Amino acid sequence: DAGVTQSPTHLIKTRGQQVTLRCSPKSGHDTVSWYQQALGQGPQFIFQYYEEEERQRGNFPDRFSGHQFPNYSSELNVNALLLGDSALYLCASSLEGPSGETQYFGPGTRLLVL
Amino acid sequence: DAKTTQPPSMDCAEGRAANLPCNHSTISGNEYVYWYRQIHSQGPQYIIHGLKNNETNEMASLIITEDRKSSTLILPHATLRDTAVYYCIVRVRSGYSTLTFGKGTMLLVSP
Repeated sequence: DAGVTQSPTHLIKTRGQQVTLRCSPKSGHDTVSWYQQALGQGPQFIFQYYEEEERQRGNFPDRFSGHQFPNYSSELNVNALLLGDSALYLCASSLEGPSGETQYFGPGTRLLVL
Repeated sequence: DAKTTQPPSMDCAEGRAANLPCNHSTISGNEYVYWYRQIHSQGPQYIIHGLKNNETNEMASLIITEDRKSSTLILPHATLRDTAVYYCIVRVRSGYSTLTFGKGTMLLVSP
């Protein structure tokens, strides 16, 4: 049973560029959440996707956008990259339902903005 | 979601039990206590969660006080591979509820 997978594992971009990160949820999961983790900090919630819609959003600017596909996989897009966007980006999946909802994380994508 | 307080760091000898405390004095009746850990540069790993009863799985035990204002995660026989940052999180158990991470406790297991 495959867990949550993310690609790429590492990425280097320059300021002003755009980036797309990808996530495949754990088998059977239908909800994907994205988190940003700066160095030395705990992960911070960016947004969550369910039924191909953004259901919740944290305190992140509109430069951060996402998408969920019919197979439940998801993308995180960041436009006009800033140096401060350098971080580990984590995807977590869960199963919507009355007894589920535990989120399981992928290994993350490390983004460096120069 | 209620906030949690954890010590910034703890040490434990290999083979001994590691007891990691967490205070969540403002926890609501419908909020669960979740524990995750993060080994350096990896994604957080789910450990265990509970509402009011003590819970045990293959990784750890979770002891929640009767008033639910604090809890302790117990790793019964710590190994070097248990060295990680441990996060205690309280959240409503629903699909809408996200995870709010604090700074966690850095557990160092030594030989």
